[in-house]
Amino acid sequence: SQKIEQNSEALNIQEGKTATLTCNYTNYSPAYLQWYRQDPGRGPVFLLLIRENEKEKRKERLKVTFDTTLKQSLFHITASQPADSATYLCFPAGSARQLTFGSGTQLTVLP
Amino acid sequence: DGGITQSPKYLFRKEGQNVTLSCEQNLNHDAMYWYRQDPGQGLRLIYYSQIVNDFQKGDIAEGYSVSREKKESFPLTVTSAQKNPTAFYLCASQYWREGGELFFGEGSRLTVL
Repeated sequence: SQKIEQNSEALNIQEGKTATLTCNYTNYSPAYLQWYRQDPGRGPVFLLLIRENEKEKRKERLKVTFDTTLKQSLFHITASQPADSATYLCFPAGSARQLTFGSGTQLTVLP
Repeated sequence: DGGITQSPKYLFRKEGQNVTLSCEQNLNHDAMYWYRQDPGQGLRLIYYSQIVNDFQKGDIAEGYSVSREKKESFPLTVTSAQKNPTAFYLCASQYWREGGELFFGEGSRLTVL
């Protein structure tokens, strides 16, 4: 069955550092991978999309990589700020049956 | 403004009662989804619909039912058959194209007393 793993439930980093979140998937081949941000008690909000034929995507302080050989995506937040504290969810998808989210990584940026 | 609206935001139910959660979108999206989220866990798919009058079971459909009579609406009924219904329920919609992002509502928190 499809399985998605995100690194450690919680990640604490110091303000100004780069946060790196990992998403690993097994038993399927997504055509694309999305990352979402979720704040407590709110619905997730879309951040970035990367397709299987793209190695890297950037948006402001965010960078996503997608390695289809390793079946892994890395999500980086550079120059992190306390306002970046949230749970980040990965979503490898590509067909009507690939609709599973990762369990999320709770990021806390310490001032 | 276009968006997706869930109601109610908080709901309390006694054991043995059915409850219906509302989800409405005015984004003209074809696909709609219901997810369940438990504390410290990810989103688990309950049901999804890609077109009016058609819907598919997700990973945890037992104890739930849905309908899709209109493109804009995708209500979820939590029946008394659902053994552990206390959770945070999220509805999402998507323009059905490859890579289309999901737009989520603000969620409905159901507590069974």
